[in-house]
Amino acid sequence: DAGITQSPRHKVTETGTPVTLRCHQTENHRYMYWYRQDPGHGLRLIHYSYGVKDTDKGEVSDGYSVSRSKTEDFLLTLESATSSQTSVYFCAIREGTGGTYEQYFGPGTRLTVT
Amino acid sequence: AQSVTQLDSQVPVFEEAPVELRCNYSSSVSVYLFWYVQYPNQGLQLLLKYLSGSTLVESINGFEAEFNKSQTSFHLRKPSVHISDTAEYFCALGASGGSYIPTFGRGTSLIVHP
Repeated sequence: DAGITQSPRHKVTETGTPVTLRCHQTENHRYMYWYRQDPGHGLRLIHYSYGVKDTDKGEVSDGYSVSRSKTEDFLLTLESATSSQTSVYFCAIREGTGGTYEQYFGPGTRLTVT
Repeated sequence: AQSVTQLDSQVPVFEEAPVELRCNYSSSVSVYLFWYVQYPNQGLQLLLKYLSGSTLVESINGFEAEFNKSQTSFHLRKPSVHISDTAEYFCALGASGGSYIPTFGRGTSLIVHP
């Protein structure tokens, strides 16, 4: 258990509304990631962070923004939710030393955009 | 560029039968390979990993995977499955250093029938 929590765990929202998902970790990990999981696509990286205020885009970043003002929190914002953003969102941290790393995942947030 | 191919999207099997979930990878640099398991409505959990050394790695619940460099494969096997092994399994390829953006396969759904 890498001490990762996500909130909310479930959310239903309407098209066009802003949505913010929160990832919280308690073990001072520098790297944090946001993924979405969709049937047939596996996991796709949205954004990641390599430190406070340091973020970068993943392969499916359009329509999403992130912020990291504290080490422990990594926020994912959908500025104007669309039905194509209905998905399960996972946060992950990176752990490891010596050039080899592994990821640990949070429990996920199931988002439905109606 | 790196890639991971999980050759089967779904693998049905009867309880107590052996199973193999196939994973092939492509990379031009040294690789680190992982298998993750996702039980229904949960996040991904690290099942086992290959970093270096022995090419055969084992998990605590009876799964094993063999790193085969010549065939660029990292297949997951279990000699006798249980109903509780029903889950989604993801193969992932890691690279050393930098931001560490692993590449995930699209997943294989293992369905164990009584």
